[in-house]
Amino acid sequence: DIQMTQSPSSLSASVGDRVTITCRASQGISNYLAWFQQKPGKAPKSLIYAASSLQSGVPSKFSGSGSGTDFTLTISSLQPEDFATYYCQQYNSYHITFGQGTRLEIK
Amino acid sequence: EVQLVESGGVVVQPGGSLRLSCAASGFTFDDYTMHWVRQAPGKGLEWVSLISWDGGSTYYADSVKGRFTISRDNSKNSLYLQMNSLRTEDTALYYCAKATGASSGLIDYWGQGTLVTVSS
Repeated sequence: DIQMTQSPSSLSASVGDRVTITCRASQGISNYLAWFQQKPGKAPKSLIYAASSLQSGVPSKFSGSGSGTDFTLTISSLQPEDFATYYCQQYNSYHITFGQGTRLEIK
Repeated sequence: EVQLVESGGVVVQPGGSLRLSCAASGFTFDDYTMHWVRQAPGKGLEWVSLISWDGGSTYYADSVKGRFTISRDNSKNSLYLQMNSLRTEDTALYYCAKATGASSGLIDYWGQGTLVTVSS
């Protein structure tokens, strides 16, 4: 199976900051990469698909990039509601896999 | 509005069996692949299984292969997960999730989950 490795595992930032989360695939996955946001006690929410396309209704402060094995999620102008855990997911293979998650905390 | 409502989660002993259900509404159920994804307490997301729009193709994570069976009833807009030979490490919140197409691995909607606890 394709392994997905996110870094960092946790991240502290302040309101108004811009942060970047990285996701690396163990083999090339073209742009079959999605990002999800999960808040405590809630189901995950889809943010980005095809590495850089925003899901409907997701604000443009979220952006994604990358192709092949290396991908990034950038969140600009952090607001209190953005502090959550973020997961990448590859869907290049039917055996889909998730990254281990990045917990974004308020500094 | 897409709605996915899971049910069937309970406390079960190791070695036991359980069947989870997911009732879908707000979309044409038999046009889409469906997934089960789980999350152990305090842990990350783990994909469990997917089934194509017509049930003709199924895939499983190695951790559940041979013990779990995914199925669907398009006439009832329902997805199922039959879980046998349960282990303590199967304890998790199980999410039903909708894919973006008939044969797609990409998820766009999630249910709220049903909790399975495997404990003696």
